[in-house]
Amino acid sequence: NAGVMQNPRHLVRRRGQEARLRCSPMKGHSHVYWYRQLPEEGLKFMVYLQKENIIDESGMPKERFSAEFPKEGPSILRIQQVVRGDSAAYFCASSLGGGRPPQHFGDGTRLSIL
Amino acid sequence: TQLLEQSPQFLSIQEGENLTVYCNSSSVFSSLQWYRQEPGEGPVLLVTVVTGGEVKKLKRLTFQFGDARKDSSLHITAAQPGDTGLYLCAGDTSGTYKYIFGTGTRLKVLA
Repeated sequence: NAGVMQNPRHLVRRRGQEARLRCSPMKGHSHVYWYRQLPEEGLKFMVYLQKENIIDESGMPKERFSAEFPKEGPSILRIQQVVRGDSAAYFCASSLGGGRPPQHFGDGTRLSIL
Repeated sequence: TQLLEQSPQFLSIQEGENLTVYCNSSSVFSSLQWYRQEPGEGPVLLVTVVTGGEVKKLKRLTFQFGDARKDSSLHITAAQPGDTGLYLCAGDTSGTYKYIFGTGTRLKVLA
């Protein structure tokens, strides 16, 4: 998993607070994908971004969740007014281009909501 | 809704045994990936198969893509404790980025 950096690795929030998850893609990669993994489940696609563009956010809940990938800096997944059901592991993957490139995953952020 | 079903969900075997895990769908995939995920880490890509009937080998691991590109199998020969982990398959439809993941097979190899 070397290359895709996610932070923080663990994040604890109380209900109603905001959570910000960061993802720095592999060097040279301009495509970022966010996935959510609930305990004992596979990964579920949330959003696909290129620099400064959201390409597909069809997997994101329509409320409270947003994502960005600015020209400079990491991609951010933002969850407002967190609820217990948001507790999960959130993984970021990056790739060189769209289509069917191998996706390299970070080690995830484990979000716990108290 | 496209689904990838993996079986078995859990598998506990002794070191040295052989095993096969399966990944099945009613959808046709243009490519299929296998990953291994260890606790506290992200998935690591093991292999990508793209051609129906394709067989790929990675040391003691043999991956096969079904002729109709709807299913795949992973066979491990002479399993070792280091093979312990969650094995995930993920399908890619028509070159999109929305990899659809199976729920995984959790393998434990006992020394």
